[in-house]
Amino acid sequence: EVQLVESGGGLVKPGGSLRLSCAASGFTFSNAWMSWVRQTPGQGLEWVGRIKSTSDGGTIDYTAPVKGRFTISRDDSKNTLFLQMNSLQTEDTGVYYCTWLWSGGPHHWGQGALVTVSS
Amino acid sequence: DVVMTQSPLSLPVTLGQPASISCRSSQSLVNSDGDTYLNWFHQRPGQSPRRLIYQVSKRDSGVPDRFSGSGSGTDFTLKISRVEAEDVGVYYCMQNTHWPPSTFGQGTKLEIK
Repeated sequence: EVQLVESGGGLVKPGGSLRLSCAASGFTFSNAWMSWVRQTPGQGLEWVGRIKSTSDGGTIDYTAPVKGRFTISRDDSKNTLFLQMNSLQTEDTGVYYCTWLWSGGPHHWGQGALVTVSS
Repeated sequence: DVVMTQSPLSLPVTLGQPASISCRSSQSLVNSDGDTYLNWFHQRPGQSPRRLIYQVSKRDSGVPDRFSGSGSGTDFTLKISRVEAEDVGVYYCMQNTHWPPSTFGQGTKLEIK
């Protein structure tokens, strides 16, 4: 069974940092393209960024509002995806989902990690 | 970025009746290989989204056959042949043809009348 389990969410002050982790199981993580999607309060879904598999070059892309502040990385030896978030702003508040990309889109989603940016 | 526009944003439906949601993209979602990466997701209250449809019309494993996707170019539709109580929630379309970034529609909230 595919499982994606996020951790690391919490309350942080504006300008602060947070690191999310996503533990993956039930599929070959090293071959997988992965992404982060967030859902802000009262809003819909927003794609945050994506990392290709290492064998496909490991290319990373981000949405414009987080570029330069967020960093996606992966540790294939631990089947874990990361999202390092720096210079957090109140607009970054929301639930962050880790997803496994397959056949042109997010096939499996984690349960989400709540990030609250507030003074 | 490709803009995805869904309609309606609110959809009250009687149990057992059909439902239809439209999704339009600001540019064609057909890529240079002739593939179209249009997905549909369902999010129940308090849950993570679940993908129902990929590449316009392919149902993900375990998705009931009352759900169907269709369309081409810039116009796409998700249809539910007979709405059941478990179908309430918000439905999103998402394009993955012109990425980055992938972009989502605003969501359509389905409720039972």
